Amino acid sequence: QSVLTQPPPASGTPGQRVTISCSGSSSNIGSNTVSWYQQLPGTAPKLLIYGNNQRPSGVPDRFSGSKSGTSASLAISGLQSEDEADYYCAAWDDSLNGPVFGGGTKLTVL
Amino acid sequence: QVQLVQSGAEVKKPGASVKVSCKASGYTFTNNAMHWVRQAPGQRLEWMGWINTGNGNTKYSQNFQGRVTITRDTSATTAYMELNSLRSEDTAVYYCTRRSCSGGNCYFDYWGQGTLVTVSS
Repeated sequence: QSVLTQPPPASGTPGQRVTISCSGSSSNIGSNTVSWYQQLPGTAPKLLIYGNNQRPSGVPDRFSGSKSGTSASLAISGLQSEDEADYYCAAWDDSLNGPVFGGGTKLTVL
Repeated sequence: QVQLVQSGAEVKKPGASVKVSCKASGYTFTNNAMHWVRQAPGQRLEWMGWINTGNGNTKYSQNFQGRVTITRDTSATTAYMELNSLRSEDTAVYYCTRRSCSGGNCYFDYWGQGTLVTVSS
């Protein structure tokens, strides 16, 4: 099963800017849009970014997304303690005819 | 407001089956596909399959082909996921999630609260 690759843990201090990457292939990120999800401990994932760089209403503009080729990135600026969570990227995979998810990146706010 | 409310936690023995429900409200149930995703302890989100809530057509991940069945009851605005021949590795939180598409972009915009299924002898 195709999967997306994310780095392991990430960390930052309050106010800092952090970036989380997501690497895929031509059958997923290369040909479809990317979405990002935030999962706080013990809760369900929450949509953070869709369409590579679109924010649903209610998501602060501190969160931004981008995509280039078969990779995507999530940037969080002005880091806050409540941003401490797991972050997952996802994209539809044309070979699988279903979605694939990244392994998740645990973000710690020091 | 859109809500997806799942059934409660289950404890099953190896070889048994489990059926998890997902009650949708706050939108027209048949307008959006419903997907099922699971998350084993400390693991990534894993897609299991989806159902076209309008016509009932389904598509399953090869990882679960033959063991999973997704159905829906449109009158009850509820989707169901049944997993058979359970083994310890199936211990996980199971989520239903609504897929929405806008301007060519598709994404999972609402999630159920999750149902913990524990498989243990």
